[in-house]
Amino acid sequence: ETGVTQSPTHLIKTRGQQVTLRCSSQSGHNTVSWYQQALGQGPQFIFQYYREEENGRGNFPPRFSGLQFPNYSSELNVNALELDDSALYLCASSPDRNLRGQYFGPGTRLTVT
Amino acid sequence: GENVEQHPSTLSVQEGDSAVIKCTYSDSASNYFPWYKQELGKRPQLIIDIRSNVGEKKDQRIAVTLNKTAKHFSLHITETQPEDSAVYFCAARTGQGSSNTGKLIFGQGTTLQVKP
Repeated sequence: ETGVTQSPTHLIKTRGQQVTLRCSSQSGHNTVSWYQQALGQGPQFIFQYYREEENGRGNFPPRFSGLQFPNYSSELNVNALELDDSALYLCASSPDRNLRGQYFGPGTRLTVT
Repeated sequence: GENVEQHPSTLSVQEGDSAVIKCTYSDSASNYFPWYKQELGKRPQLIIDIRSNVGEKKDQRIAVTLNKTAKHFSLHITETQPEDSAVYFCAARTGQGSSNTGKLIFGQGTTLQVKP
């Protein structure tokens, strides 16, 4: 298995609440990308961080935000949770922003009730 | 907009047969095409990738071909085994532009079932 880790594994939240998901990138990787994977679908790109700065964003509203820290770990924050936010949230790290050799973490399963 | 179409959505083959999964991308500036395998309840795993400057790449029983003119790429698995059963995703990295902000766009996935 690769070195990308995520926490927590599972999370249950109520509509309107806020959530923070965490990701530790593989050693030597400076780029972290976040994806939302709904059941039966492919991962949807949320945004990417390269050396602590947002370096690209998908079609997600501003209530999805993130951070990358000096050690290249990252957080995904989602405000004002909606039922449709229920999904598997995957982070992936790569050696650089070219995204070649991108490895995924195990994901956080978020359920919004 | 940027899009990757993947076919078929499900594929069932007998052990030992070959399996082919096809993807088409819309962004002609796309230049990197990875394939991921996702087993039930597990993370997607990178199994093979190809850059736009080559037409084919092989790794044991797995091969990927790329036709840039047609904006089409395919995954070929030979001598399939039951452990190949999983969901396979193709992806294309969109054109990066001057700010180098390319992103991976994934297909919808193909559920491969290999029958013993």
